[in-house]
Amino acid sequence: SAVISQKPSRDICQRGTSLTIQCQVDSQVTMMFWYRQQPGQSLTLIATANQGSEATYESGFVIDKFPISRPNLTFSTLTVSNMSPEDSSIYLCSVEDRDRGNYEQYFGPGTRLTVT
Amino acid sequence: LAKTTQPISMDSYEGQEVNITCSHNNIATNDYITWYQQFPSQGPRFIIQGYKTKVTNEVASLFIPADRKSSTLSLPRVSLSDTAVYYCLVGEGRGSTLGRLYFGRGTQLTVWP
Repeated sequence: SAVISQKPSRDICQRGTSLTIQCQVDSQVTMMFWYRQQPGQSLTLIATANQGSEATYESGFVIDKFPISRPNLTFSTLTVSNMSPEDSSIYLCSVEDRDRGNYEQYFGPGTRLTVT
Repeated sequence: LAKTTQPISMDSYEGQEVNITCSHNNIATNDYITWYQQFPSQGPRFIIQGYKTKVTNEVASLFIPADRKSSTLSLPRVSLSDTAVYYCLVGEGRGSTLGRLYFGRGTQLTVWP
């Protein structure tokens, strides 16, 4: 099973600034995913990050607001740009692995972002 | 993607068996059913996955009737530590579409002493 770490674990940022979140996996994976979970809500997929290609964004999310990098098979970053209080959420990265015949996704611990 | 419907919340007591049912009337032939568990301040964790009939692992069982329009996650003898949100997901590629997961609202299970 994949082990995922994220940095920072939490941050408080001012409106109008940007924050870059790092996601590190302990094994090489083809696809990495970024999710957002707003307070008291379910998870929403932001984008899929493939190594060597542009990220694929879900409806409602754009590259200018959430630029993503995927420089290698074990690392990705998500930047939350020009932040507003509405961006206050937990941001999680995940990877898919095939284990024991199942297609399982492994999630990082999340980055708790508060925008003031 | 098939839409899923789950109860918003459920309560149970320690030692009881808990069954959470998920409706997915529009499930497609290639779709699998996957359940995830999420504790507060943590990312979701895979519980179990199945296509038809019954699947059992060390933590849960998944019952899927012949028409596959619903599924039931069964947690035997729950404890306080099973208090969490449980998500039912349906999609190609065994619970995902090319790896992407689309979460519904989930079921908040609260286990009381």
